[in-house]
Amino acid sequence: DSGVTQTPKHLITATGQRVTLRCSPRSGDLSVYWYQQSLDQGLQFLIQYYNGEERAKGNILERFSAQQFPDLHSELNLSSLELGDSALYFCASSVGSTQYFGPGTRLTVL
Amino acid sequence: AQSVAQPEDQVNVAEGNPLTVKCTYSVSGNPYLFWYVQYPNRGLQFLLKYITGDNLVKGSYGFEAEFNKSQTSFHLKKPSALVSDSALYFCAVREAENYGGSQGNLIFGKGTKLSVKP
Repeated sequence: DSGVTQTPKHLITATGQRVTLRCSPRSGDLSVYWYQQSLDQGLQFLIQYYNGEERAKGNILERFSAQQFPDLHSELNLSSLELGDSALYFCASSVGSTQYFGPGTRLTVL
Repeated sequence: AQSVAQPEDQVNVAEGNPLTVKCTYSVSGNPYLFWYVQYPNRGLQFLLKYITGDNLVKGSYGFEAEFNKSQTSFHLKKPSALVSDSALYFCAVREAENYGGSQGNLIFGKGTKLSVKP
């Protein structure tokens, strides 16, 4: 157990809908990262927050957004969902150089 | 631009034999290198990392990796494979200069499926 929690574990929704994925980092970790894992794209970095502020952006679509709250938990919002958004979404947290990953949320868009 | 290559989609090894999973990287500065393992329907588990110092890094579950700067490689090794080692292995890199709580996202390879047969 990495200490990073993600909810929900599974999410099934329809095209055009909006969903929110939640991540609680390890106690004391200030950085939260979001990654998307899909069969065709592999593991791709989406966005990083550090102590409530956006710090880096990767291949994140404009339909996606995220935030980190004062208690350091983070939410990833995915809107206007498309079939291609079906993937495993991971969050990771770190205080040093090592990122520890949560179990992921599997999103299925029908 | 940073990149990681894992040249083998799959590695097959007999139980008890040594295993090697290959990784090469490209970064403009000094690299921080990582290996993660993913079991089916699970998240990524951290195995080991190279930051600086000794080129041979030891990690969890008997795994080790050797950093080779001239060959820009960071191959994962284990002297004696177990059936339970069968999983998907990812190599990742980030630039050392981004360390310190600022930008520090990882660039992952495509993964190598390790299959250990009894």
